Amino acid sequence: AQKITQTQPGMFVQEKEAVTLDCTYDTSDQSYGLFWYKQPSSGEMIFLIYQGSYDEQNATEGRYSLNFQKARKSANLVISASQLGDSAMYFCAMREGLKGSTLGRLYFGRGTQLTVWP
Amino acid sequence: DVKVTQSSRYLVKRTGEKVFLECVQDMDHENMFWYRQDPGLGLRLIYFSYDVKMKEKGDIPEGYSVSREKKERFSLILESASTNQTSMYLCASSSDGPYEQYFGPGTRLTVT
Repeated sequence: AQKITQTQPGMFVQEKEAVTLDCTYDTSDQSYGLFWYKQPSSGEMIFLIYQGSYDEQNATEGRYSLNFQKARKSANLVISASQLGDSAMYFCAMREGLKGSTLGRLYFGRGTQLTVWP
Repeated sequence: DVKVTQSSRYLVKRTGEKVFLECVQDMDHENMFWYRQDPGLGLRLIYFSYDVKMKEKGDIPEGYSVSREKKERFSLILESASTNQTSMYLCASSSDGPYEQYFGPGTRLTVT
């Protein structure tokens, strides 16, 4: 079974609008972390935002926020006020295990291609 | 500024050749990872290492091996390259704990 599911292969949004990229996860661990990465056409992977399973508040980083719904096992990325430079592939990822574990592997979803149009 | 470097951005090899992909990080990270990325499949973990000379298989280790002789360097080896190993290869590193992984720029490998 997939650990991370991203159901939107592609999304389109107009500049200055907000957009939500969906991510659901599957784990039986109590302690885990959720990550979002951005990959522009140049190929580099850019870390955007992190949410720990025990964090009470939704994570925010500038225009990025993570809508964390633990009971539904979802960790959607919200980008507010989209910009043309936000056009990229976006990956959701999960890290399982106890905090401080050395086994820091990530499970990635298949990604969502976001296109921002003027 | 944190940095993960990979030896080549683009590489073309022939079927049956032995291929070495090198990755170096300058952040003193304990953990290092090799992924391959294919369209529609996301990133899939090949191997990872949590200490010098230690390695763990990821989800798709067949046809690959790795070497970590020094903390900062993690090498991916294709013993006998095949056309189905044509892909983008990404190296990453992280410190212990719930921290993000830092990625290198990737190596686009073509096997003909």
